[in-house]
Amino acid sequence: TQLLEQSPQFLSIQEGENLTVYCNSSSVFSSLQWYRQEPGEGPVLLVTVVTGGEVKKLKRLTFQFGDARKDSSLHITAAQPGDTGLYLCAGFSGAGSYQLTFGKGTKLSVIP
Amino acid sequence: KAGVTQTPRYLIKTRGQQVTLSCSPISGHRSVSWYQQTPGQGLQFLFEYFSETQRNKGNFPGRFSGRQFSNSRSEMNVSTLELGDSALYLCASRYGDNSPLHFGNGTRLTVT
Repeated sequence: TQLLEQSPQFLSIQEGENLTVYCNSSSVFSSLQWYRQEPGEGPVLLVTVVTGGEVKKLKRLTFQFGDARKDSSLHITAAQPGDTGLYLCAGFSGAGSYQLTFGKGTKLSVIP
Repeated sequence: KAGVTQTPRYLIKTRGQQVTLSCSPISGHRSVSWYQQTPGQGLQFLFEYFSETQRNKGNFPGRFSGRQFSNSRSEMNVSTLELGDSALYLCASRYGDNSPLHFGNGTRLTVT
């Protein structure tokens, strides 16, 4: 069973601060996805990274896929209260794998 | 375009009963996946259906079953409910294997 470990589990910061969330595994993934989930709603896809070493930016969010495709990080610059939510990483293990493996998530609270 | 619709939003059942949850995917999406989300275990894959065929199944007991209809709508059934089955059950649809998952807002099941 392939596992994705996310850290930290909980994060509470002040508005304007920067933060990084990590997603690590001992297994190789063909691609990794990041989702954000708000209370009472389903997860919403933020980004997919496919190539080892890939960096993608989405406004104040920067996503990186590790060179060995075993880990990923999400960096948020100048966090805002609207960034509050549960951040989940998820990965497909390879071609023909239809099952997404999810990390347990990082619960982020941004205090105004 | 309507999103993924799950019904009902909330369910309260008694231990030993059975329950059926429904999911209507985005129009044109032939793949439907089901996930169980709990605070302790996070999001865990139950199964995926594609064109009415189950093509992958997670590590859940046989009490958990599902099916997909010709219009791509899917149902999930849990028999002989246990207290530990209390969770948020999420359905997700996608157009193809390389397409992103679109989640519904889930059904919150409470077993008493």
